[in-house]
Amino acid sequence: GQNIDQPTEMTATEGAIVQINCTYQTSGFNGLFWYQQHAGEAPTFLSYNVLDGLEEKGRFSSFLSRSKGYSYLLLKELQMKDSASYLCAVKRGSTLGRLYFGRGTQLTVWP
Amino acid sequence: GAVVSQHPSRVICKSGTSVKIECRSLDFQATTMFWYRQFPKKSLMLMATSNEGSKATYEQGVEKDKFLINHASLTLSTLTVTSAHPEDSSFYICSAHSQPEVTDTQYFGPGTRLTVL
Repeated sequence: GQNIDQPTEMTATEGAIVQINCTYQTSGFNGLFWYQQHAGEAPTFLSYNVLDGLEEKGRFSSFLSRSKGYSYLLLKELQMKDSASYLCAVKRGSTLGRLYFGRGTQLTVWP
Repeated sequence: GAVVSQHPSRVICKSGTSVKIECRSLDFQATTMFWYRQFPKKSLMLMATSNEGSKATYEQGVEKDKFLINHASLTLSTLTVTSAHPEDSSFYICSAHSQPEVTDTQYFGPGTRLTVL
């Protein structure tokens, strides 16, 4: 099985930086995804890490340490529209592997 | 990014009836699609992997006779919830894998809200 853990809720103010952590324990690890999901909508892809290190994409960055089973999503220059649930998902298996999601972190950005 | 649609977006049905949900990849072919369900304020739970031209692969604990999956073409997968009961009420989301993507990204449909009375 897999055990994916991330905080349930976080709050921050506009313009600030927030880091959302995700730890996982799984067999057949083959990459980690971060998705953003607004209430009642489908998740949208943010980032993908398969090798150790930091991937930067605009205001969002994602880090992975495979040896520690740890990832984080870093959001800079927060905007109100960033209020959403952020889902950490682990891919297991082959190229078309299945995704297993954490319960999500509900981020609220205050003005 | 690639576009995935679902139909219907919302459905309300009586207990004991069956409901079919469609998932379509609109601008690409998807040999593999995935079905998830999501309870309020919970994360997505993978239900099954839908493979075009072959039987679906179900996750442990998911009843294959209750959640029938058919992947009839490279752009369409259907999930049928048979003999629905109130506990089947949930948000059902499909995703499709776009082959040319190097990062193996899955694109999600907008979801279907099922309410069983």
